Amino acid sequence: GQQLNQSPQSMFIQEGEDVSMNCTSSSIFNTWLWYKQDPGEGPVLLIALYKAGELTSNGRLTAQFGITRKDSFLNISASIPSDVGIYFCAGRYNFNKFYFGSGTKLNVKP
Amino acid sequence: DGGITQSPKYLFRKEGQNVTLSCEQNLNHDAMYWYRQDPGQGLRLIYYSQIVNDFQKGDIAEGYSVSREKKESFPLTVTSAQKNPTAFYLCASSGARGQETQYFGPGTRLLVL
Repeated sequence: GQQLNQSPQSMFIQEGEDVSMNCTSSSIFNTWLWYKQDPGEGPVLLIALYKAGELTSNGRLTAQFGITRKDSFLNISASIPSDVGIYFCAGRYNFNKFYFGSGTKLNVKP
Repeated sequence: DGGITQSPKYLFRKEGQNVTLSCEQNLNHDAMYWYRQDPGQGLRLIYYSQIVNDFQKGDIAEGYSVSREKKESFPLTVTSAQKNPTAFYLCASSGARGQETQYFGPGTRLLVL
C-alpha cells in the first residue's frame, strides 16, 4: 500500500533558526498539502502544491513539490515560539483518498 | 462563516453504547472524510465519501459506520463493536476533482467511561 515517510519525527530549535522537513512517497502524487496542528485542534492547511517543481510561499513558510512527484519539502524561516506544533504532509493522486505522514513535532526555545 | 463544524467537542461513551459524531460542511465540497488520531500519532482514515449516498471503507473501518444522505453532512457512528474507541476524531472535506485541498473540522474527543 501507499507509504508516506515524514522526517524528522521531532525537532528542537532555537527561536530565529530556520527549519526544514520533508516527506517522501512510494508512489507519485499530483497534490501535496502541508498542515499544522495545535494540541486538541484540527489541522490547519498551510500550503497546497499541485505541480511538479512548484515552489509556494506563505509568509515565512515555503514548500516545494518535488520534480519526481514523490516528495515534498517544507521550510520555515526565522522560527518564532508560535511555530510550535505538529506539521503533517499529505499527498493525493487524482480522485483518490489522501495519505498522511506521521508528523514532525516542532519545539522552539525562546 | 464557511467551514466544517463538528459536534460535540467532547463525548463520553459508556460500555456497549453506540455514539454518533456529527460533521457538517458548508463549503459545497463533494468529498468528506473521517480520521482517527491517537495521542502522538498521525491520522488514520476510517471512512470516506466522494458523493452523496456512496462511501468507502478506509484503513480502520471496523467498529464504525457512516451515512451520506446529504452533501453537507457525514455523521460517524462509533459502535459497541469498536473495543478501543478513545481517540480524537477529525472530519474533513474536499472537492473531488483531483486538485482540491482538504480542510479539517475542529475535532471531537471521545472518551470511554
